[in-house]
Amino acid sequence: TQLLEQSPQFLSIQEGENLTVYCNSSSVFSSLQWYRQEPGEGPVLLVTVVTGGEVKKLKRLTFQFGDARKDSSLHITAAQTGDTGLYLCAGETGANNLFFGTGTRLTVIP
Amino acid sequence: NAGVMQNPRHLVRRRGQEARLRCSPVKGHSHVYWYRQLPEEGLKFMVYLQKENIIDESGMPKERFSAEFPKEGPSILRIQQVVRGDSAAYFCASSPSRVVRETQYFGPGTRLLVL
Repeated sequence: TQLLEQSPQFLSIQEGENLTVYCNSSSVFSSLQWYRQEPGEGPVLLVTVVTGGEVKKLKRLTFQFGDARKDSSLHITAAQTGDTGLYLCAGETGANNLFFGTGTRLTVIP
Repeated sequence: NAGVMQNPRHLVRRRGQEARLRCSPVKGHSHVYWYRQLPEEGLKFMVYLQKENIIDESGMPKERFSAEFPKEGPSILRIQQVVRGDSAAYFCASSPSRVVRETQYFGPGTRLLVL
């Protein structure tokens, strides 16, 4: 059974701090996506990583795909209140759908 | 450009009633996915459809749940004889192709509450 575990499950930090959230699995994924979901809305795609070891930057967000394509991390520098939300990773399994992780709920306190 | 539209946004049903959830994909997208999200959890895949065809329904319960994506009109997820455990947020996503890593655009979801 595939499982994408995200950690931490909940994270509350002060504005301006840095943070890293993790997405881990025992399965290999063809690609991995990160989404942010705000309350009452659907997930919005942030990035797709495809190659093992790949690093992508999106302004203050840095995404890394593990060398073995089993894990990924999201690092946010100088967090802002607008970063608050549920961060979801999702792996491409080779089937017809995405397999979503359990999510990290981030709260950035002003 | 209109994104994915879902209606209703909120739906309240009593046990035993039917729930019909609608999803209008992004214009020009012919691939639709339905996901279910329980509180404080990630999304669980239910079904993948192309126009008039169910491609993969491996995540959908065999009983009471059905989905369609007709040639004309929105995709429909139907839940018959709802039970309290069906209470969840249901999201649909659309994509221009069947390549999974192609961006899936998610709708705002329908929050179903079964009393």
